[in-house]
Order: sequence, then structure tokens, then C-alpha cells
Amino acid sequence: KNEVEQSPQNLTAQEGEFITINCSYSVGISALHWLQQHPGGGIVSLFMLSSGKKKHGRLIATINIQEKHSSLHITASHPRDSAVYICAVGPPWGSSNTGKLIFGQGTTLQVKP
Amino acid sequence: DTAVSQTPKYLVTQMGNDKSIKCEQNLGHDTMYWYKQDSKKFLKIMFSYNNKELIINETVPNRFSPKSPDKAHLNLHINSLELGDSAVYFCASSLLAGGPTYEQYFGPGTRLTVT
Repeated sequence: KNEVEQSPQNLTAQEGEFITINCSYSVGISALHWLQQHPGGGIVSLFMLSSGKKKHGRLIATINIQEKHSSLHITASHPRDSAVYICAVGPPWGSSNTGKLIFGQGTTLQVKP
Repeated sequence: DTAVSQTPKYLVTQMGNDKSIKCEQNLGHDTMYWYKQDSKKFLKIMFSYNNKELIINETVPNRFSPKSPDKAHLNLHINSLELGDSAVYFCASSLLAGGPTYEQYFGPGTRLTVT
């Protein structure tokens, strides 16, 4: 079992729908990252968070440290949101593997017009 | 200006050849990384350098050798290429190797195909 698990693995939505992608992890972390990989292949960092909630445009990321769980929400989804969304966790500050991200397997999202 | 750049973007080569992928960042970051993304889109760390010093070296065949001439550059040299080396290789950089401000910035990736 991976240390970082995402669900669902694949998601198809209609334009305008509210989307939730989940990430659970089993290790101690200092921060959790949400990344977006477009069909063209480039990877962009969407959020880095260690507590609470962050919002950027139509994207919202939340994390519950006690439950070791994070969610990425997309409101009013649009076909241009179609991409692979990747959750990654960073080890606790000061650990020997500082900086090493552990990745989930990714969630492939397709938003249909 | 591109923050993290990689060359080449595509690399097609035959088994047994030696090839290099170059990475440069102009963000003033101290730490650079090499990741491998397999055919299932799963990303895995290979190496990390902090200010030219190797700090992460995962279980990677010793045919792979990273080289960091300065903190803005991290190159990946691969000897005796094998079919299983076919993947997309991403370079990334971050301000620090850890701590609360290590958001990572990724290069565009190099798609390596070994025939």
C-alpha cells in the first residue's frame, strides 16, 4: 500500500459540477502539496499547505492533520480543468529525508462541456 | 523567462547508448531534484542536490549519475540505456531542501524513449 493514496483514480464530470479529489497519507508530514499536470505534460504546483484551508480562484484545498487527509475541490468546473491532479507529502522538518516528496498515484480528471 | 528549463524535451535513442539531460533554474533556489515519471504517471524522486551537494540518492541504478556544476544547474547522465529507462524525467527546484517554504517548481519534462 502506498504511503499516499488518492481517490478517485479517474473522474469524469460535466462542466459546472463541483469536484472533490481526496488524498490520504500514512506518514508524518511537514506539508502537503497539490500539483496539476496538464495533457501537455508540464507540472504546476497548485497549493502547499500544512494546516487549514487555502483558496485560489475556483480551487480550494483543505487538510486535516489529525485525520491525515486532504481534499482538493474545484467549483464550477470547466473543460480546461481537465488534467491529472497529484497529491504529494513532504517529510517532517529536520528528518533525514528533508525535501523528499512522496507522491500519490494521481487522479485523472476529465470535464466534459 | 522560463523558471526551470530542461533540454532536450524529447530524446529517442537506442539501447546501450549514453545520454545526458540538462536542467537549469533561474529562481535562485538552493535545491534541485530529478524525478522519474513512469507510464502510469507515477512520480518518484531520484536525486536531490542542495547547493551542489547530493542530499537524496534513492535506489537508482548506478548507470544514472547526477552532476551539479553550480546550484543553478543539475544534469542527469545515463549510461548504457535500457528499455526500462523509457519515461518522462522532470527536474525541479525549491528554495530550501525542507521546511515550510519548499514549494517545488518543475521543469517541462524530458520524454526519453529507448528503442
